[in-house]
Amino acid sequence: DAGVIQSPRHEVTEMGQEVTLRCKPISGHDYLFWYRQTMMRGLELLIYFNNNVPIDDSGMPEDRFSAKMPNASFSTLKIQPSEPRDSAVYFCASREGGAKNIQYFGAGTRLSVL
Amino acid sequence: AQSVTQLDSQVPVFEEAPVELRCNYSSSVSVYLFWYVQYPNQGLQLLLKYLSGSTLVKGINGFEAEFNKSQTSFHLRKPSVHISDTAEYFCAVSEPGGSYIPTFGRGTSLIVHP
Repeated sequence: DAGVIQSPRHEVTEMGQEVTLRCKPISGHDYLFWYRQTMMRGLELLIYFNNNVPIDDSGMPEDRFSAKMPNASFSTLKIQPSEPRDSAVYFCASREGGAKNIQYFGAGTRLSVL
Repeated sequence: AQSVTQLDSQVPVFEEAPVELRCNYSSSVSVYLFWYVQYPNQGLQLLLKYLSGSTLVKGINGFEAEFNKSQTSFHLRKPSVHISDTAEYFCAVSEPGGSYIPTFGRGTSLIVHP
């Protein structure tokens, strides 16, 4: 398997623009997680899905952030409008439901909002 | 509620020296414990995990960790480090039951000098 695939790897945008980050989880994994990593706050869990259903979005910072999982092989994290403080590395991870919590991470998307 | 404290944000060490990265957790129940490693510009990958059984856990790349229930610790060790071990190391804890969602520590940056 190719692992968790995220795109784009790097995104540079201007404040106010819409940003969409994409994730393809490992086939057969029924949990999907979105994380944000910054120097100030470390690794933060934003939202996670089970069987394509959002279970906990309490980590989403504000209404500008939204996440969807239309099917088992694709998820998006959208920021609209983007702000400079959203600059961070965003990771997607997936996991089998029955496994003892072994998460597999993608390589991340480095977002810079100017 | 579970939480993780990584006591050192940065650990500098010379090549071939031993290293210990410290991790303490707090939880009211039995836990699962993990160490993940993040190399530059990559996602996190699992180093080792403790689910049950022997308190000494061996992982990849010569790393090992010891679960100490009385001290609520799960320190990571390696007897002789290499330049290639330079990376960010994350300790994580999860409680059995529910969705096994892990809580990550802030990370420890291991810097190996020649």
